[in-house]
Amino acid sequence: AQSVTQLDSQVPVFEEAPVELRCNYSSSVSVYLFWYVQYPNQGLQLLLKYLSGSTLVKGINGFEAEFNKSQTSFHLRKPSVHISDTAEYFCAVSDPNAGGTSYGKLTFGQGTILTVHP
Amino acid sequence: DTAVSQTPKYLVTQMGNDKSIKCEQNLGHDTMYWYKQDSKKFLKIMFSYNNKELIINETVPNRFSPKSPDKAHLNLHINSLELGDSAVYFCASARTLVGQGRNTIYFGEGSWLTVV
Repeated sequence: AQSVTQLDSQVPVFEEAPVELRCNYSSSVSVYLFWYVQYPNQGLQLLLKYLSGSTLVKGINGFEAEFNKSQTSFHLRKPSVHISDTAEYFCAVSDPNAGGTSYGKLTFGQGTILTVHP
Repeated sequence: DTAVSQTPKYLVTQMGNDKSIKCEQNLGHDTMYWYKQDSKKFLKIMFSYNNKELIINETVPNRFSPKSPDKAHLNLHINSLELGDSAVYFCASARTLVGQGRNTIYFGEGSWLTVV
């Protein structure tokens, strides 16, 4: 079974500082990896995803993440955050071998609240 | 235009009532989902439908009954609501290619259900 652990429940940071949100997963098979963002009272928006290929994945809003298979991690980074990045961030995994109709079975971490202070 | 839309966005109701949440997607996707986010923000899949057929049912109580009248709609009906049903319910959709799990899942904005 797959599981996802987001190591920090809350990350406060000052504007223009760099940030890293940590995500570790456990799976006995290969995985697809995702980061979603949830702004207050809004739905989930995909930031980026790793399917295969380059381990460094670039997403929207200046975010990037690096897939590290040996450490089973997929940490999210941004070199300089803005107030508007304040939101909750979710890491998720899915099994690429589960078959097309099982693709939607994302397993989510419990979220990291990023708060950017002026 | 909203890709995945859910109604209502907020719903407050008493225990024992029956309520429905509607979901529609205009992306031409063939797979739709319901996810539940509990008070601790934990997101978990409840159901998935592909071309109107139930694919995933994650041990959700029988009081929850999804209905998919067509590929673009997946409604969630909940009978005899309980306090523990209070949560945010997210509808989602994806275009699913057989043998490939690469397509992005698009989520709606959520429906905040509060049972009192």
